[in-house]
Amino acid sequence: LAKTTQPISMDSYEGQEVNITCSHNNIATNDYITWYQQFPSQGPRFIIQGYKTKVTNEVASLFIPADRKSSTLSLPRVSLSDTAVYYCLVGGLTDKLIFGTGTRLQVFP
Amino acid sequence: GAVVSQHPSWVICKSGTSVKIECRSLDFQATTMFWYRQFPKQSLMLMATSNEGSKATYEQGVEKDKFLINHASLTLSTLTVTSAHPEDSSFYICSASGTSGTLTDTQYFGPGTRLTVL
Repeated sequence: LAKTTQPISMDSYEGQEVNITCSHNNIATNDYITWYQQFPSQGPRFIIQGYKTKVTNEVASLFIPADRKSSTLSLPRVSLSDTAVYYCLVGGLTDKLIFGTGTRLQVFP
Repeated sequence: GAVVSQHPSWVICKSGTSVKIECRSLDFQATTMFWYRQFPKQSLMLMATSNEGSKATYEQGVEKDKFLINHASLTLSTLTVTSAHPEDSSFYICSASGTSGTLTDTQYFGPGTRLTVL
């Protein structure tokens, strides 16, 4: 299973764009990249998933370079409610997922 | 779509008793379910993987006789913490993966169950 490395924490202000980068140098050919958001005392919430290039949905964008050794989650115009822990995971679609430390995002007014 | 529920959301029990936690996929068939444990300020730790109709696969260091997992149907998995002790107090989270309509096979998580053992 690919190991992921993310910044431990990030700070931002409301209205700014936040980019969280995840390194996964040992990603396998059949691995997908999935990002989850977790609030305290809640289960992780699916944000976005991709395999290569760029994926966009109503809440975020995911940028994956050609070598797929890293990925960047982009949150446009964050608000206070985006304060949470964000996890980057890689693996096959139905494989077990090994969580890393995640990135604790703090959004200030 | 892709809703996973857990019951109960919290439970308090006495040391030595057993506690059962249910995980249900409400709008899709979950071919695989996973159980995690999370201690305060820490990341999720995978405990076991279960496939419908077969025995669960436990991660190294997880006692299979203490944490009994049953995945009897494509929408229900249960985790039973047997003879619970205070050190078993934690936040237990399940996830489910499967396919429903336009959903891809990915993992969707339940809301978690807070277990406190006195």
